[in-house]
Amino acid sequence: AQSVTQLGSHVSVSEGALVLLRCNYSSSVPPYLFWYVQYPNQGLQLLLKYTTGATLVKGINGFEAEFKKSETSFHLTKPSAHMSDAAEYFCAVTRVNDYKLSFGAGTTVTVRA
Amino acid sequence: EPEVTQTPSHQVTQMGQEVILRCVPISNHLYFYWYRQILGQKVEFLVSFYNNEISEKSEIFDDQFSVERPDGSNFTLKIRSTKLEDSAMYFCAREQGDRNTGELFFGEGSRLTVL
Repeated sequence: AQSVTQLGSHVSVSEGALVLLRCNYSSSVPPYLFWYVQYPNQGLQLLLKYTTGATLVKGINGFEAEFKKSETSFHLTKPSAHMSDAAEYFCAVTRVNDYKLSFGAGTTVTVRA
Repeated sequence: EPEVTQTPSHQVTQMGQEVILRCVPISNHLYFYWYRQILGQKVEFLVSFYNNEISEKSEIFDDQFSVERPDGSNFTLKIRSTKLEDSAMYFCAREQGDRNTGELFFGEGSRLTVL
């Protein structure tokens, strides 16, 4: 079975500050890892993914995440927060030939002016 | 224009009533999914649908639930006899490509309230 744990249900950052959202996974086989974002009253939108290859992956809106197998982590970062980054962020895991994503509990990001 | 459109956006129903939630993926794809999110809880997988058949379902997806793609375009989730605990946001999703990779387009969700 696969699962993810997101540390921190709420994160508040100042505009221009670093955004760091933590995700740790549990998987008995090589994982496929994702970050999805949900803006208010919208569906989930894919930010970025890791499957194989380069462990530092870049996504939309200036976000990136690094897969660290030794730490079983896939933390999401953005160097400089923007007001438009206020949303809920979900880490998710699956594996090759699987059909379902297992989501974390989500982290709500608020950005202070 | 959204990749996945869901209707209704919000439905209120009485316990024991049947509910049908609809999803229009717009383009022809093979892999479809239903997920749900109970308020304050994780997004949970319900069922995957591949090539017009259920490929996997979670333990949540019991006999009260069913899915179909009746006309090759709409993708529906039916709950036969709703319970209070079925109150949740239900998300339809489809794969962005032709294989199941986890890269999904999600609809905006249908909020179901069971009274």
